Order: sequence, then C-alpha cells, then structure tokens
Amino acid sequence: QQQVKQSPQSLIVQKGGISIINCAYENTAFDYFPWYQQFPGKGPALLIAIRPDVSEKKEGRFTISFNKSAKQFSLHIMDSQPGDSATYFCAAGEGGSNYKLTFGKGTLLTVNP
Amino acid sequence: EAQVTQNPRYLITVTGKKLTVTCSQNMNHEYMSWYRQDPGLGLRQIYYSMNVEVTDKGDVPEGYKVSRKEKRNFPLILESPSPNQTSLYFCASSTLAARAYEQYFGPGTRLTVT
Repeated sequence: QQQVKQSPQSLIVQKGGISIINCAYENTAFDYFPWYQQFPGKGPALLIAIRPDVSEKKEGRFTISFNKSAKQFSLHIMDSQPGDSATYFCAAGEGGSNYKLTFGKGTLLTVNP
Repeated sequence: EAQVTQNPRYLITVTGKKLTVTCSQNMNHEYMSWYRQDPGLGLRQIYYSMNVEVTDKGDVPEGYKVSRKEKRNFPLILESPSPNQTSLYFCASSTLAARAYEQYFGPGTRLTVT
C-alpha cells in the first residue's frame, strides 16, 4: 500500500513560472512532512519541511502548503529557474516510536530556459 | 565537512558473488539507513539502525544484510546478489533528536548485477 501518493510524475515549467507538486497521505499518525531535492548523480537533500500545526511554510522561493483535513500537502516553487531542475520527493514521518520516513515516488521537474 | 560517504560509487558484479557496500558518516549520528531507488518506485527503505548493534528491517529487506558494529559505519551486504537487486543505493544518517526525519544522504552507489 502506497502511503504517500505524489503527483505529477514529471513536470515541465518555463523559466519564471510556478511549479506545483502535490502529495496525499492516509496515515493520520504522520506528524512531519519534509521535501527532498535530488540533482542528477547526487543523493537527496532536505529542502524544506512542515509540521501539521501550521498551514504554510515559506523559505525563499519554496513554499509548502498543508491541508490537514484533506490530508494533502504541496510544494510550490515560485519564479522557477533552470537550476531548480531536479527530482523532488515528498515524505512523511510517523510519530511515536516509529523513526521512519515514508517517501513519495518522486517528481522530475524540468525548468526550460 | 559533514558528510556521508559510500564506496564503491559504481559496481558491476555477477549473480551470486557476495559484495559489500560501505557507508560512513562523520556527524556522530545515531540513526543510519539504507534505501534503494528504482525508476517509478521512488526511495524504499531496506534496513535501518537506531544505534550500535541495533538494526531492523525496512520495507524491502529480502536479500540484504546489515551490521552496525561502530557508530559511524553501516555496511550493506548482498550475500548472493541477483539481477533484481540492480539499483541505485543510498545510505543516510540522522540524529534521533530529529526523529530521523532530517536525513543526510550519501552520493549513492549504482549496482548492476548481471
């Protein structure tokens, strides 16, 4: 059972546009929602994260929007740049004694110049 | 420099020939984990360790072994590799204080089993 569903699988955006990647989950025990960015040939790196007690978190051009009732969260990249071209993974962490991140399947973002 | 290192970065081997992929971190992290990344399947956890001598299965542990004899090292062992273990492997580490949510990943090991 896929616990974190990510869409779209791939996304092409023009430079300066807004990139939006969506994730949905079912497990209400999840209490931490990070996004990881992976450039070709590199390991994933933590980009931005949010906890369910807030609805939005912004860091520079990157914003996470969180909808607890809908069990959905999304990554918005404003003013997308060619250097943002990468694979993005959403993830969810479960509280309690379960030290584990469950990852979405990833979105390949291409930003055309 | 804080980092997670993996060796080798690339490996081509034959079915059944035992191999070990090493992972080391210099951040004194308690938590370490192995993932495999396959097209269309994302990152799937193989094994993880919350401290020395403490390991547990992730989502796809079949065909793999791990050990954690030292805090900094977490090798992944394939005792009899098969072609379906051809994949890109990542080691990651984190502090338990961060609940393993903020993971630092190594550069990856691309394994091909023929």
